[in-house]
Amino acid sequence: DQQVKQNSPSLSVQEGRISILNCDYTNSMFDYFLWYKKYPAEGPTFLISISSIKDKNEDGRFTVFLNKSAKHLSLHIVPSQPGDSAVYFCAAKKDSNYQLIWGAGTKLIIKP
Amino acid sequence: GAGVSQSPSNKVTEKGKDVELRCDPISGHTALYWYRQSLGQGLEFLIYFQGNSAPDKSGLPSDRFSAERTGGSVSTLTIQRTQQEDSAVYLCASSLGGVVQETQYFGPGTRLLVL
Repeated sequence: DQQVKQNSPSLSVQEGRISILNCDYTNSMFDYFLWYKKYPAEGPTFLISISSIKDKNEDGRFTVFLNKSAKHLSLHIVPSQPGDSAVYFCAAKKDSNYQLIWGAGTKLIIKP
Repeated sequence: GAGVSQSPSNKVTEKGKDVELRCDPISGHTALYWYRQSLGQGLEFLIYFQGNSAPDKSGLPSDRFSAERTGGSVSTLTIQRTQQEDSAVYLCASSLGGVVQETQYFGPGTRLLVL
């Protein structure tokens, strides 16, 4: 039973364009969401997060949007750069719990 | 400063053998987590250590898996009588104080292959 789903295993985007990565969740108790980025042979690194009291959080080229009614969040990268090519994981937690529940990841490929 | 380190980076073993995986967290971090990532899957929580508190072992898949953390620093994950389904990347993460919204910092992982 996957509580956090990333339905696109991969995504290819032209350099300079917007990349949109999607994530859906089923547990309405989740109230904190994170995106991690992972390069091959490295561990995931934290990218950006959002609390359920917000619907948007922005950090430079990265923006995360949260739609609680749809149980959906998305990560926007604008403009996309070659160094953004990586696997992106969505993760969620209940505020009172340290356990992260992870999606399966989306491999983003930025084409030059 | 140094990040989270894990050893070995790769481990190939035969079914039925025991393996030990090591994690060195970031100095000063009191919280330590072990995760497992099977092929095509997200990360699966295994175990959590916070300071001197009893660890949360709720994610360990069977009693063949155990972990300890000595002196509040280095941690060892042990898998006894390995099975082919144990093949995965085992990731360790640490965080400063175990506060629920703080960032977890990951090591590069140990890739375990059980033949």
